[in-house]
Amino acid sequence: QAGLTQPPSVSKGLRQTATLTCTGNSNNVGFQGAVWLQQLQGHPPKLLSYRNNNRPSGISDRFSASRSGNTASLTITGLQPEDEADYYCSAWDSSLTGWVFGGGTTLTVL
Amino acid sequence: QVQLVESGGGVVQPGGSLRISCASSRLTFSSYGMHWVRQAPGKGLEWLAFIRYDGKYMSYGDSVKGRFVISRDNSRSILYLQMNSLRIEDTAVYYCTTEQNILVFDIWGQGTEVIVS
Repeated sequence: QAGLTQPPSVSKGLRQTATLTCTGNSNNVGFQGAVWLQQLQGHPPKLLSYRNNNRPSGISDRFSASRSGNTASLTITGLQPEDEADYYCSAWDSSLTGWVFGGGTTLTVL
Repeated sequence: QVQLVESGGGVVQPGGSLRISCASSRLTFSSYGMHWVRQAPGKGLEWLAFIRYDGKYMSYGDSVKGRFVISRDNSRSILYLQMNSLRIEDTAVYYCTTEQNILVFDIWGQGTEVIVS
């Protein structure tokens, strides 16, 4: 199952802004957008953003999602040490009739 | 607090079968679609299967199609994944997670580990 493309790693300084990208095609990201998940070491994933860039209740407004064409982005402002994690995007793929994930981006807060 | 608890993982030989479960509590289980997602050691997330809230529609990822079967028992609020013809590359932590309307992958269990060796 073809996946979405994410950069393997991103490093930013404390209190800076990080923008993570997720590139797909017109059948997935370009079709219905992407969801974003955060996975802390040793924990299950946690939903950060879902369709139309909505945040589940309890998710900080430091996390915001957007989409331009076939590329989705997750912007994290005011980076904190606890933001160090793996971040995954996922999207429904209409041609595969299933969900695809990106390979994940490891965010390091310096 | 809403909870999903996976169970049934373990060690199985290549070619063997295993059924894992996901029990829900404090969740209106029958109103949620459910997914299985796995994560191989040191790797990313992989979507495996989805079952609609009423159990009448299922879809599978290519890597497990024809080998794995997703099912549910709404009367007991339990989700299942029957895994057949297991391969070494099926070694992973298996998670169940929810879908309700556009809210997908909202609630996750802690995962159950399957080792094929």
